[in-house]
Amino acid sequence: EVQLVESGGGLVQPGGSLRLSCAASGFTFSTYWMNWVRQAPGKGLEWVANIKDDGSVTHYVDSVKGRFTISRDNGKNSLYLQMNSLRVEDTAVYYCAGAVGWIIDDWGQGTLVTVSS
Amino acid sequence: DIVMTQSPDSLAVSLGERATINCKSSQSVLSSSNNKNFLAWFQQKPGQPPKLLIYWASTRGSGVPDRFSGSGSATDFTLTITSLQAEDVAVYYCQQYYGSPLTFGGGTKVEIK
Repeated sequence: EVQLVESGGGLVQPGGSLRLSCAASGFTFSTYWMNWVRQAPGKGLEWVANIKDDGSVTHYVDSVKGRFTISRDNGKNSLYLQMNSLRVEDTAVYYCAGAVGWIIDDWGQGTLVTVSS
Repeated sequence: DIVMTQSPDSLAVSLGERATINCKSSQSVLSSSNNKNFLAWFQQKPGQPPKLLIYWASTRGSGVPDRFSGSGSATDFTLTITSLQAEDVAVYYCQQYYGSPLTFGGGTKVEIK
């Protein structure tokens, strides 16, 4: 059974940093593209970033470029999102999601990030 | 960026009746290299993460009931739920994976009339 478990969310002040983690199990992590997708409270889904199976290619939505960094450790079956210079508008539930190619087919339960003073 | 526009924002359908959700992309998501539409549909129930329903515009995901079907090509797509069940109450999103950034529609909330 595929499992994606996010951690690292919490309350942070504007301008602060957080590092999200996602522990993967139940599938061959090193063969999947991985994504972060977020959902602001009561709002729709917004894709944030993805990373190729071997970590060699990354893509970001414009609103986080230069502030967020996606990375992975295939030896630890883990995905990360380093978030710097956080803004109030980054407040959301952040989902870790696995993809075959770019087809997102597995999701974690999400971790809540709240940016507030 | 490819903008995905869904309609309606919400709809109420009687149990056993048909629900139809539309999705329009600002540019074609049909690939000339494999003749496939890079379009997916997701279902999100309250308090849960999204679930993949349809990919390649019309291929059902694993374990998805056959009352869910996807159709359309290039820029215009439809998700149809035939014979709506109580457990289908959810928000439905279309999403293109033709190019970066991946983009979602705004969502359509389906309720029971």
